[in-house]
Amino acid sequence: QLDLEESGPGLVKPSETLSLTCTVSGVSTNRLSYFWGWIRRPPGKGLEWIGSASSRDIIHYNPSLRRRVTLSLDTSKNQLTLRLTSVTAADTAVYFCAREGLEWEFDFWGQGHLVTVSS
Amino acid sequence: QSALTQPPSASASPGQSVTISCTGTSSDVGGYKYVSWYQVRPGKAPRLIIYQVTKRPSGVPDRFSGSKSGNTASLTVSGLQAEDEADYYCNAYAGSNNLVFGGGTKVTVL
Repeated sequence: QLDLEESGPGLVKPSETLSLTCTVSGVSTNRLSYFWGWIRRPPGKGLEWIGSASSRDIIHYNPSLRRRVTLSLDTSKNQLTLRLTSVTAADTAVYFCAREGLEWEFDFWGQGHLVTVSS
Repeated sequence: QSALTQPPSASASPGQSVTISCTGTSSDVGGYKYVSWYQVRPGKAPRLIIYQVTKRPSGVPDRFSGSKSGNTASLTVSGLQAEDEADYYCNAYAGSNNLVFGGGTKVTVL
């Protein structure tokens, strides 16, 4: 049973760095076929893909966020991490991690983690 | 890349059908066969219900079906049930290893 769980602070101050961790259980992130991604949903808005990383050290980023985002995949810990710098209120969102399947679909998702950017 | 265009809301009575459109461009929806749909309910993990335009993952009822014509993809839910009330999002591959989502459609079961 594949399970993904997001964790991290729920409140981040403006201009600071948001850091989240996604812990994967039930399958190894070392499997070469899959990517592991972050998606967010700001309040009242739609989903936005942030980026995806694979165990082959290949990382894809949303061009609109590329300048501020860093993803990393630690296969020894089965964890995917997200760093988003210089946050503003516009980065307030529920952040989801998900497995990206072979057809550019996200087939397993975590429950999501709300991050609020506020002083 | 711009978000794909979905109607903000759709509704139908139990047992009826509802179809949600997802309009993009020839660089995303129209250019590739990689369109997926997700069901999002409050407090629950999003659920993949359609991938590669028309395919259903194991466990998804055949009441859910997907299609595409040109730059517009569609999700149809037939035999609508109360449990289908949720937000639905489309997603498409946009080339150069990019993915783009739609703005979401809230489906209400009347």
